Amino acid sequence: EAGVTQSPTHLIKTRGQQATLRCSPISGHTSVYWYQQALGLGLQFLLWYDEGEERNRGNFPPRFSGRQFPNYSSELNVNALELEDSALYLCASSSGTSGQETQYFGPGTRLLVL
Amino acid sequence: GIQVEQSPPDLILQEGANSTLRCNFSDSVNNLQWFHQNPWGQLINLFYIPSGTKQNGRLSATTVATERYSLLYISSSQTTDSGVYFCAVEDAGGYNKLIFGAGTRLAVHP
Repeated sequence: EAGVTQSPTHLIKTRGQQATLRCSPISGHTSVYWYQQALGLGLQFLLWYDEGEERNRGNFPPRFSGRQFPNYSSELNVNALELEDSALYLCASSSGTSGQETQYFGPGTRLLVL
Repeated sequence: GIQVEQSPPDLILQEGANSTLRCNFSDSVNNLQWFHQNPWGQLINLFYIPSGTKQNGRLSATTVATERYSLLYISSSQTTDSGVYFCAVEDAGGYNKLIFGAGTRLAVHP
């Protein structure tokens, strides 16, 4: 069974540009989560999508947004990139919405903003 | 919000040694997971353990929910165990948001 996949593996952008990151969950999983791991800030929750809807959002500005498609894959969009957006972005998926399921993580996308 | 503290922050071992990593959390939890982050950044699931004890090979974990802590035991450590170990919890309020500790960085030397 394939795990969570993410693309691209690396992304280099300049300040002010937009970045789009993609995630495909484990087959059968309906919930997708996004986390940011920035140097010195640890792993922080960004967004949770389930059945196409945004269910929860972390403490990030509105220029971080995303969506979930009918096949449960997801995109994270970061607009007006800033230098401090440079980070590893991790996507996870789970099979339910109770919060009592294991979240499985993908390999991540490393975003570098110059 | 819920606070998660991991100790020790850094740990250096000789191959074959045993170790115990600790995770303290400040409130009731629905979900507690242990992860190993490899050098390429991927988080590898070790245990889903909001309470009780589990074992998987050389690794085992115990969570005492009433006392708000979890322990990860690594026995007969190997160089491939090196990396960062994270504990993450979701508080009983829900919303499926995992709160991560700062991690324990483990280096196992041959």
